[in-house]
Amino acid sequence: EAGVTQSPTHLIKTRGQQATLRCSPISGHTSVYWYQQALGLGLQFLLWYDEGEERNRGNFPPRFSGRQFPNYSSELNVNALELEDSALYLCASRTSGTYNEQFFGPGTRLTVL
Amino acid sequence: SQQGEEDPQALSIQEGENATMNCSYKTSINNLQWYRQNSGRGLVHLILIRSNEREKHSGRLRVTLDTSKKSSSLLITASRAADTASYFCATVSGTNAGKSTFGDGTTLTVKP
Repeated sequence: EAGVTQSPTHLIKTRGQQATLRCSPISGHTSVYWYQQALGLGLQFLLWYDEGEERNRGNFPPRFSGRQFPNYSSELNVNALELEDSALYLCASRTSGTYNEQFFGPGTRLTVL
Repeated sequence: SQQGEEDPQALSIQEGENATMNCSYKTSINNLQWYRQNSGRGLVHLILIRSNEREKHSGRLRVTLDTSKKSSSLLITASRAADTASYFCATVSGTNAGKSTFGDGTTLTVKP
């Protein structure tokens, strides 16, 4: 069974640009989570999608947005990039309606120059 | 301080020794999970312990949960160099609508 996949692996942008990150959950998982992990730090919760709807978001500005598609894959968009947006962005999925473990993708390393 | 704080921040031991990491949290939880992360890669789920459980084992891993103290510990016995990684605890509670709250992690280095 394929795990959670994320693309691209690395992304280099300049300040002010927009970045789009993609995530495909494990087949059968309808909940997708996005986290930001700055270098050497823990995970900061960004967004939670379930059944195509945004269920919760963390303390991030509106320029962080996303969506979940009918096939449950998800996209994270970051507009007006700032230097401090440089981080590893992790996507995780799990079955809907459970509080069980999340399965993580390998992450997208975003560097803002 | 945030929910799910790990202690210590960093731990360095010799191969064969045991490693103990602690996690404290603030609100009531549904369950607590431990994850492992190898140098900037995705997290791997290690073990989940529910609020009505006190101890759980998985191979060389032993997790305890004390809900009265709002704390958990992860013990890795007979450590190996391959255990070198960052370890995170994550709490899930009914009040945070299903999302997991992660701490900043403990960086474990096991020297051969």
